[in-house]
Amino acid sequence: DGGITQSPKYLFRKEGQNVTLSCEQNLNHDAMYWYRQDPGQGLRLIYYSQIVNDFQKGDIAEGYSVSREKKESFPLTVTSAQKNPTAFYLCASSMFGGVYEQYFGPGTRLTVT
Amino acid sequence: QKEVEQNSGPLSVPEGAIASLNCTYSDRGSQSFFWYRQYSGKSPELIMFIYSNGDKEDGRFTAQLNKASQYVSLLIRDSQPSDSATYLCAVKGEYGNKLVFGAGTILRVKS
Repeated sequence: DGGITQSPKYLFRKEGQNVTLSCEQNLNHDAMYWYRQDPGQGLRLIYYSQIVNDFQKGDIAEGYSVSREKKESFPLTVTSAQKNPTAFYLCASSMFGGVYEQYFGPGTRLTVT
Repeated sequence: QKEVEQNSGPLSVPEGAIASLNCTYSDRGSQSFFWYRQYSGKSPELIMFIYSNGDKEDGRFTAQLNKASQYVSLLIRDSQPSDSATYLCAVKGEYGNKLVFGAGTILRVKS
């Protein structure tokens, strides 16, 4: 089955802890993205990567970090510097070219208390 | 600042009716336009995309694009209760591959 997987589905952490969210895709897509969604709001772009070993900040990158060591994987670390980390985190991927339609993984719901 | 705007709703339609969802965008250079459906607690699912002026049909769904007026719409014919969801409009700008998302319109189809 081709698709995007994110793990875990639910994640609970204490304030002050860093946490890493996993995103893997087997669609052979070049580009990968991380979004954050808060209740009643649209998706906001955190980071994106078009090729291995390269990534760019999105609109709300502060307090987050990423790596792209393999084409299939794009993990997101939520650091203790992120002031409001509780949210629904979505990973997406797309081919590089064409209309760039993005496909989403199932998401990780992070709760920090 | 690029913006994509949608009426938050909820838009309520009876089963079997046509649901019309609208989206306006501010960047005149925008090239591709996407509609996603998102059920409560789930991730967005791509319904269709459009990049040329006019209509594009896929089953019960029709996307309409008017670049001069900077709006894109989604029509859902023969609406079913299973269509009840939040519909997100997304726009790709002239350069790069980033999408800008609207906040979504909640659709409720009443049986």
